[in-house]
Amino acid sequence: DTEVTQTPKHLVMGMTNKKSLKCEQHMGHRAMYWYKQKAKKPPELMFVYSYEKLSINESVPSRFSPECPNSSLLNLHLHALQPEDSALYLCASSHSTMRQVGDIQYFGAGTRLSVL
Amino acid sequence: ELKVEQNPLFLSMQEGKNYTIYCNYSTTSDRLYWYRQDPGKSLESLFVLLSNGAVKQEGRLMASLDTKARLSTLHITAAVHDLSATYFCAVDRVPFNKFYFGSGTKLNVKP
Repeated sequence: DTEVTQTPKHLVMGMTNKKSLKCEQHMGHRAMYWYKQKAKKPPELMFVYSYEKLSINESVPSRFSPECPNSSLLNLHLHALQPEDSALYLCASSHSTMRQVGDIQYFGAGTRLSVL
Repeated sequence: ELKVEQNPLFLSMQEGKNYTIYCNYSTTSDRLYWYRQDPGKSLESLFVLLSNGAVKQEGRLMASLDTKARLSTLHITAAVHDLSATYFCAVDRVPFNKFYFGSGTKLNVKP
């Protein structure tokens, strides 16, 4: 099973709302990632969690707040977003963040977010 | 900063034809990934190339890696419509498994 599950699939929110994106994997992976992807662009890394600890924050605005409650779950809390934050948000996981042979990142289907 | 360049960015081809997508990267890395993305969908892993000279094939797709030239190719043989998608290459960087993606190549195979 190489499945990464993201919910919800679609989300529409106003600029004053608070919402959360959820990501789950049961592959025993210890590294999890959040990416943002705008239309016709490659994914842009936002955050990396390694063994439930935040290891990389790519200078993401504080209106995005990641959380890793356990090794299987990754959340992205959203607050006071801007219309330009509308995008496809992808979660991924991999065996670890240490350099290992064939350390593929497996991606979820994404949450398509629209900020009005 | 590691840069990854893909070309072409757009590729329109007829079924049955062959073509190659190129992926160049700017600094030393010996691990390269190819992903496929269908419109509005997630990224699907196609190949992981781990060392210089690595070649992998799956169906009509074949990927190769030349670490000395910092170049990977994705060769499409006898294209079919089902291969229409956007293809991304990505290179990772020690010590973290942080991917640097190319811009993507949007492939359209016409019936």
